[in-house]
Amino acid sequence: DTEVTQTPKHLVMGMTNKKSLKCEQHMGHRAMYWYKQKAKKPPELMFVYSYEKLSINESVPSRFSPECPNSSLLNLHLHALQPEDSALYLCASSPRLGVAGANVLTFGAGSRLTVL
Amino acid sequence: AQKVTQAQTEISVVEKEDVTLDCVYETRDTTYYLFWYKQPPSGELVFLIRRNSFDEQNEISGRYSWNFQKSTSSFNFTITASQVVDSAVYFCALSEASETSGSRLTFGEGTQLTVNP
Repeated sequence: DTEVTQTPKHLVMGMTNKKSLKCEQHMGHRAMYWYKQKAKKPPELMFVYSYEKLSINESVPSRFSPECPNSSLLNLHLHALQPEDSALYLCASSPRLGVAGANVLTFGAGSRLTVL
Repeated sequence: AQKVTQAQTEISVVEKEDVTLDCVYETRDTTYYLFWYKQPPSGELVFLIRRNSFDEQNEISGRYSWNFQKSTSSFNFTITASQVVDSAVYFCALSEASETSGSRLTFGEGTQLTVNP
């Protein structure tokens, strides 16, 4: 069983819908990440939270809105998405942000999003 | 800029064969970290190994072994006596050693390994 849990596993939404992806970890990690992965491509970093504060935003369009309500939870709010946003969205966590052993990421199984 | 190249897009082997996945990286940093992750069809990336740039010792873990050579900027991964369960996409990745950049993994394009019975 993965220690990072993502829900839902699959999501189909229209371009006018509002939905959210959820991620939860109970390893005491203080850094949490959202990655986007298109088919047959490597993951691309979207956002990084450190101690519940947004630390890195990789110029992601505002139709993606992250939220970190507490140290165990990470959400990704979706609104007015485009078909090209269809992808596997991976959540990850690490003990903390930084160097020397702190940046081994534990990934969830992902939420597969289809935008119609 | 950092770059990771995995020249092998797909590899297909028969069970019990040995297979080596190549990884070549580029960085201007003297301190950096290299990783291998496995992504089975279920989707999650599974951490396999991390090496720092000052540790060139090769490592063996069961059927897995890694060969790190700074002189050729390579970090190759060998699976000995491959099994069907090894079928997955394998990513090599590089990160810098800084407080924030350490979270940015530069991934290679991945190698799809198929092990046939």
